[in-house]
Amino acid sequence: DAKTTQPPSMDCAEGRAANLPCNHSTISGNEYVYWYRQIHSQGPQYIIHGLKNNETNEMASLIITEDRKSSTLILPHATLRDTAVYYCGQGAGGTSYGKLTFGQGTILTVHP
Amino acid sequence: NAGVTQTPKFQVLKTGQSMTLQCAQDMNHEYMSWYRQDPGMGLRLIHYSVGAGITDQGEVPNGYNVSRSTTEDFPLRLLSAAPSQTSVYFCASSSLAGAPDTQYFGPGTRLTVL
Repeated sequence: DAKTTQPPSMDCAEGRAANLPCNHSTISGNEYVYWYRQIHSQGPQYIIHGLKNNETNEMASLIITEDRKSSTLILPHATLRDTAVYYCGQGAGGTSYGKLTFGQGTILTVHP
Repeated sequence: NAGVTQTPKFQVLKTGQSMTLQCAQDMNHEYMSWYRQDPGMGLRLIHYSVGAGITDQGEVPNGYNVSRSTTEDFPLRLLSAAPSQTSVYFCASSSLAGAPDTQYFGPGTRLTVL
């Protein structure tokens, strides 16, 4: 009964866009979509989050489908330093604050 | 700011031993949590706290105790370690005033139970 599912691995050429998908099969109306990444077994690092609308920040863009059952993290110009494990997750905040659940992660390899 | 700090970085225990994993943050964050990370399982929430004196269970709380006597510290206790608790443990914190679940993670503690 996994809440979020991700492909185990993806490759991307340096300089190209990396599009990482995530399925949120059980997401509820008040849950946000979150993306984190983990480099070299360090602690995960927050990237971006969204509720319904697409979002963009200095690190990435987030596309959420209208039914909110899937999302895509976009790294517009991937670099070698973007090689990492990327986790999508969902959490409600509010009275459910802290119950952030993660997918199993996608290993993104950016190659020259 | 040091952010979120965790000690020790590495620990080896024998089955049945007890120990406490330390976590501290200097950002005055209300919310703190503990996750464990196992191969193929991703990150799983163990316990969390929304403020001093308030704790709650996450997805995998069995075998672990927590307390939150101060805003800064959130220790995780293993009362009787088992090999199934071999894992990497991450502590995280966030501000309830910010975007929900935008969490800052510590560097992790790698625990091996023999």
